[in-house]
Amino acid sequence: EVKLLESGGGLVQPGGSMRLSCAASGFTFTDFYMNWIRQPAGKAPEWLGFIRNKANGYTTEYNPSVKGRFTISRDNTQNMLYLQMNTLRAEDTATYYCARSSWKRDYFDYWGQGVMVTVSS
Amino acid sequence: DVQMTQSPSYLAASPGESVSISCKASKSISTYLAWYQEKPGKANKLLIYSGSTLQSGTPSRFSGSGSGTDFTLTIRSLEPEDFTVYYCQHYNEYPPTFGSGTKLEIK
Repeated sequence: EVKLLESGGGLVQPGGSMRLSCAASGFTFTDFYMNWIRQPAGKAPEWLGFIRNKANGYTTEYNPSVKGRFTISRDNTQNMLYLQMNTLRAEDTATYYCARSSWKRDYFDYWGQGVMVTVSS
Repeated sequence: DVQMTQSPSYLAASPGESVSISCKASKSISTYLAWYQEKPGKANKLLIYSGSTLQSGTPSRFSGSGSGTDFTLTIRSLEPEDFTVYYCQHYNEYPPTFGSGTKLEIK
């Protein structure tokens, strides 16, 4: 059974940093693209970026809205996905999800349940 | 970015009825469209991809249609567990973007 479990959320001050983690299980982690998606309360989800699979060199793509502030990485020995978020702003407040996708199939076939990030002083 | 306009935002129906949800793209996205179901406390569920292909495990009462800019999610013979929120998402180019959602409520 595919499982994705996010952790690391909470309250952070504006300008601060936070790292989210996503533990993956139930599939061959290195075969898949891994994504981060966020959703502010009452708004549409927003794709943040992904890190490609082994066959595609573990390279990354980002939404321009967060490029330069957010960094996606993975530890393939631990089946872990990470999102490093820097210079956080109030508008980064949202529930953050990790999700799986595949090469040439940029839809998300499995999602985690999400973790809440609140940026406030 | 491609803008996805989903309508209606709210929809009320009764169990057993059929409903349709519209998703319009701001430019042609071929059939690079997915539909998701969101339930409180649960992971989002992929229902349909490529506009009309049911994901494994999606009940056959769900169907998707459309291409280009206009897409529709249809749910026939609504079951109690279908009353929740639905999103469309294009993946024709980066960044993929989502519609604003449709909340399906019991009438």
